[in-house]
Amino acid sequence: DQQVKQNSPSLSVQEGRISILNCDYTNSMFDYFLWYKKYPAEGPTFLISISSIKDKNEDGRFTVFLNKSAKHLSLHIVPSQPGDSAVYFCAAMSSGSQGNLIFGKGTKLSVKP
Amino acid sequence: KAGVTQTPRYLIKTRGQQVTLSCSPISGHRSVSWYQQTPGQGLQFLFEYFSETQRNKGNFPGRFSGRQFSNSRSEMNVSTLELGDSALYLCASSRIQGNTEAFFGQGTRLTVV
Repeated sequence: DQQVKQNSPSLSVQEGRISILNCDYTNSMFDYFLWYKKYPAEGPTFLISISSIKDKNEDGRFTVFLNKSAKHLSLHIVPSQPGDSAVYFCAAMSSGSQGNLIFGKGTKLSVKP
Repeated sequence: KAGVTQTPRYLIKTRGQQVTLSCSPISGHRSVSWYQQTPGQGLQFLFEYFSETQRNKGNFPGRFSGRQFSNSRSEMNVSTLELGDSALYLCASSRIQGNTEAFFGQGTRLTVV
């Protein structure tokens, strides 16, 4: 049973527009969430995180929103750039199980010039 | 500073053999976690080591084991290899236990034939 779900396997966006990547989770014990970006033949690169005590965290072009009641988080990239094209993974963890990151299966983002 | 280094990058083994993968974390990082990535299951947590002790373990059989040395370098061992063990094995390091903002290596691509 998948505890972290990324229901869109792929997303295509025009350069300069907003990319919105979504992630749903089922475990209410999760209290820390992370987004990673992965290029082919490379390991995932940490992008941004959010603690469950917040509902928004912003870092440059990247903003993560957390809706605890809906068990939903999203990553917004504004403006999208061709270099953002990669697979994006959502991950979650609970303080009681530190070290155990549960990953979604990823969303492949393509930003077209 | 140097990133997470995993060796070897690629490995081909035969069913029934065993394999050892190595991970050198970022200097100063004391936590090392291992993940298996397959197309069907995505990224799955194997175990985390901190201060030479296994702190957390995922749902993998006992054929998967690991250890961490006093310099924080970690090794992962898989015995009696099965075809289904073919995967990308990723190591992540973080400064403290808990994997928040973990930094990943490029991975070791293991193929079992």
